[in-house]
This record gives sequence, structure tokens and C-alpha cells, in this order.
Amino acid sequence: DIQMTQSPSSLSASVGDRVTITCRASQNIRRYLSWIQQKPGKAPELLIFTASSLHSGVPSRFSGSGSGTDFSLTISGLQPEDFATYYCQQNFRTPLTFGGGTKVEI
Amino acid sequence: QVQLVESGGGAVQPGRSLRLSCAASGFTFSTFGMHWVRQAPGKGLEWLAFTSYDGSDIYYADSVTGRFTISRDNSNNTLFLQMHSLRAEDTATYYCAKDYAQFVMDVWGMGTTVTVSS
Repeated sequence: DIQMTQSPSSLSASVGDRVTITCRASQNIRRYLSWIQQKPGKAPELLIFTASSLHSGVPSRFSGSGSGTDFSLTISGLQPEDFATYYCQQNFRTPLTFGGGTKVEI
Repeated sequence: QVQLVESGGGAVQPGRSLRLSCAASGFTFSTFGMHWVRQAPGKGLEWLAFTSYDGSDIYYADSVTGRFTISRDNSNNTLFLQMHSLRAEDTATYYCAKDYAQFVMDVWGMGTTVTVSS
């Protein structure tokens, strides 16, 4: 199975900050990497797929980069509604696997 | 709009069975693959199963292979997860998710909670 390792597991930030979360795959997954946001009590939401493609309706302050084994999610200008937990997910092959999550707190 | 609504969760004793449903609306259900994903209390997301648009391709996580079965009824726009031999570690919120392409999950339901306890 492909292991996905996210860092940090949590971070504190302020409104307006630039935040970067990293995700490492245990093997080459090319660009088959998604980023998912989850707020407490809400359904998870897709932010980014194929490493850097913004899902419909997602604000442009979210961006993704990387390929192979190393990926990152950047939020440029953190907004109050961005405080949430973020997961990376590889969709290169089954079993599909998620990173452990990064909780972004105030 | 595109919507997924899970149901069928509840409290069940270890070793018993439960069937979850996911009602889809707002898109042509019969043309998209679908997933089940779960989240144990305070934990991260765990992918469980995928079915292709017509049920011809199905994949499972090792943790549920042989105990859980994913299926779909395209005539009623509904996805199912039949769960047998439930264990305490199956306690979780279960989400269904629509497949966009190549196992990208672009729409998720709100989830249904399963508690396995004696």
C-alpha cells in the first residue's frame, strides 16, 4: 500500500497568513494527488486534484504543487473560513490512501 | 445541485450486520463511480470501497475485504454498503463520495454514524 505522510499534524496561524502543508508519498504517484478540506461536523470537500488543479468553486488562494513523492498545499492569505483539517489523498492506485491530516487552528 | 445523503447507521452489537444506503441526486448517477470512506471518532479518513458506474469493477480496502460489500441500484440512484461481522473498530462515520475520474472524490455526503458496542 502507498503510505501518505503529512506535516505538520497541526499548525497555528492568523488571518492573512500564508500557510503551507506538505505531503509525502511512499512511492512515486506521479501527479495523482488530491487535497481535501474538512470542517467540524461538515462533509469533506475536494479542493485540488491532480496535484495542482483547483476544483470548481474553490477560491484561488488555495494552490497545490508537486509530483512524484513530494507535494504541498498553500493557502495564500488565510481566511476565517479556512480553519479546518486538510488531508492529502493519493488516487494513483487502490487501496486509496489518505494522509493523517493537518489541523489549521487560529 | 449534486447531493449525497447517507442513511442506515445506528448502534449495533459486535458480530451483527448493517446495511448503509446513499441516495444520490443532481447528477446522472449511473455514469459515475462511487466510493465509501469512513472516519473513526477523532481519527482521519479511511477509504473502504469503490464501485464503477455499472458495478463491473469493485475494489476494497484490506480492512473490510470479505466482510463488507459495495453495490449500487442505478434505477433508484442509490449506493449501498452491506457490512457483516461488525467489530468495535468499525465504529465510525461512514461517507459516500462521488468519483470525478481516476478515483478523485469530488462530492461527499454528510455521513451516517455506526456504533458497534455490546
